[in-house]
Amino acid sequence: QSVLTQPPSASGTPGQRVTISCSGSNSNIAGNFVFWYQQFPGTVPKLVVYRSNQRPSGVPDRFSGSKSGTSASLVISGVRSDDAADYYCATWDDSLGGPVFGGGTRLTVL
Amino acid sequence: QEQLVQSGTEVKEPGASVKISCRSSGYTFINYYIHWVRQAPGQGLELMGTINPRTGTTSYSQIFQGRVTLTRDTSTSTVFMEMNSLKSEDTAIYYCARRAELAWFDPWGQGTLVTVSS
Repeated sequence: QSVLTQPPSASGTPGQRVTISCSGSNSNIAGNFVFWYQQFPGTVPKLVVYRSNQRPSGVPDRFSGSKSGTSASLVISGVRSDDAADYYCATWDDSLGGPVFGGGTRLTVL
Repeated sequence: QEQLVQSGTEVKEPGASVKISCRSSGYTFINYYIHWVRQAPGQGLELMGTINPRTGTTSYSQIFQGRVTLTRDTSTSTVFMEMNSLKSEDTAIYYCARRAELAWFDPWGQGTLVTVSS
């Protein structure tokens, strides 16, 4: 069981707004930045959001992140077929004294 | 260019050990923690442990404690992950990743496939 809880799957049609949630606790998300990773099959995870709501250079602006309390969200506005991938949230856990990952969400673009 | 390059595919029998290397380049090796992440087929990312390349201090996730050993060689800017008593369930891709801060992992190694089979 992951410390951070994500829905196992999410879906949307091209152009839709898709939200992927990440639920944690007071010892992790509430007091720390959240990071989001995108992983295509057979490839290395890639950072798409850092420090909860910042986008690395080269990541399309349709990707955005937010955080409120013990939860965080990754929003893809105007999802495209090539956004279909697995998405993982990650943050620091103060109780564990280290980083933690969510279980991952598989995004399907119908 | 900052990068981590891992050693190649391994095939091991149950009960054996495996040692994977992760060589860094393009940045100051001792300035950043290196983490190891396991991904079993069709599964998510599982943190295994971390090493401070400056001091050699290590920390392991509970499920890997006692079975995984992380070491480093500062002369070659390389971190090693050794796992013993391999089981079929250890078949996975193993990644090393540099942690810049908190849970910011970048870059990642290309991954090393370890297959445990008799």
